Amino acid sequence: GQQVMQIPQYQHVQEGEDFTTYCNSSTTLSNIQWYKQRPGGHPVFLIQLVKSGEVKKQKRLTFQFGEAKKNSSLHITATQTTDVGTYFCAGPGDFGNEKLTFGTGTRLTIIP
Amino acid sequence: DTAVSQTPKYLVTQMGNDKSIKCEQNLGHDTMYWYKQDSKKFLKIMFSYNNKELIINETVPNRFSPKSPDKAHLNLHINSLELGDSAVYFCASSSRTGVLYTDTQYFGPGTRLTVL
Repeated sequence: GQQVMQIPQYQHVQEGEDFTTYCNSSTTLSNIQWYKQRPGGHPVFLIQLVKSGEVKKQKRLTFQFGEAKKNSSLHITATQTTDVGTYFCAGPGDFGNEKLTFGTGTRLTIIP
Repeated sequence: DTAVSQTPKYLVTQMGNDKSIKCEQNLGHDTMYWYKQDSKKFLKIMFSYNNKELIINETVPNRFSPKSPDKAHLNLHINSLELGDSAVYFCASSSRTGVLYTDTQYFGPGTRLTVL
């Protein structure tokens, strides 16, 4: 079945440093979504990318969808303590658009 | 005005017991889901219902039985609880946003189940 892997699994950064998480799918994706889960919280939708090579920005967050539509990345510039959490990518699974296969997640901690 | 709510928030029980988790969404969505998140934070879909009909059942043991009395509610009943069932269970809902797009999931706050 489809697998979606993320690296790194954990990342500790000093406040103000940049952070990047990479997402790789075993199959081509029609689109990809990103979610953030704060400690003790639930996943919250951040963004969806559809086009090959697409780049979208949300303030300090930059999302990219690979040309081959099998990988994606999330880059955070100048991290802040509010960025703490686990970031998940997710792509449509074998059942099509009704089901999401979530990536393994990257847990970001910030050192003040 | 919580969009997706779950009860209870915490559930501690003995092995072998039967328990239920309830979920309600007031977003008017057609599709609801149950996800399981283990201690390593891996998030896996268990079930999906669309307009009260089961559309996804991901090789989940028969001890888990979802029930959707109407499209705003999706409950999860678990029989004969085992230690390995300890996890956080998230309910979610979604609505089709177009053919090109995958449904955005709106998650509930989660139910932390601990089996002793």
